[in-house]
Amino acid sequence: QQQVKQSPQSLIVQKGGIPIINCAYENTAFDYFPWYQQFPGKGPALLIAIRPDVSEKKEGRFTISFNKSAKQFSLHIMDSQPGDSATYFCAASIRSQAGTALIFGKGTTLSVSS
Amino acid sequence: DTGVSQNPRHKITKRGQNVTFRCDPISEHNRLYWYRQTLGQGPEFLTYFQNEAQLEKSRLLSDRFSAERPKGSFSTLEIQRTEQGDSAMYLCASSFGGRYEGNQPQHFGDGTRLSIL
Repeated sequence: QQQVKQSPQSLIVQKGGIPIINCAYENTAFDYFPWYQQFPGKGPALLIAIRPDVSEKKEGRFTISFNKSAKQFSLHIMDSQPGDSATYFCAASIRSQAGTALIFGKGTTLSVSS
Repeated sequence: DTGVSQNPRHKITKRGQNVTFRCDPISEHNRLYWYRQTLGQGPEFLTYFQNEAQLEKSRLLSDRFSAERPKGSFSTLEIQRTEQGDSAMYLCASSFGGRYEGNQPQHFGDGTRLSIL
């Protein structure tokens, strides 16, 4: 059973565009939602994370929007650049349980063309 | 470099051999996680340590897999009698938090890529 569903699988945008990646979860006990960026041959790097007591969080060009009632959250990348071309993963975990594993989506491969 | 360090970066071995990977977490981090990532998938949790204690294991961690974290510093992941299906990237992550404190951001190393011939 896939607990975090991510879409789309791949995405192509032009430089300056705003790619949007969506994730949906089922377990209402999830209360910590990070996004990771991964380049080929590298490990995932934490980009930004949100907890369900806020509906939006911005860090630089990255914004997370969170809809608790719909059990969905999304990543927006403003003014996308070719250097943003990577695979993006959403994840979820239960913050109240110490050390609980992150449950990852299957990833979205983003290509930003110049 | 103060990030999570994993060695070796690549390991090629024949089916049936034993392999061991090492992870050195960020120095002040007391929590350490192992994940496995196959091509086109997100990382999947294997096991978790709080200091030297192994507190969680995934069903993915068969009896051929064993992990240790002596003295609560570096960790090793050993796979015995490797199988074709073990081919994957093995990722280590670390974070800091008290025993009863909730999740804190996990920082990943660049992984060890295992190829089984």
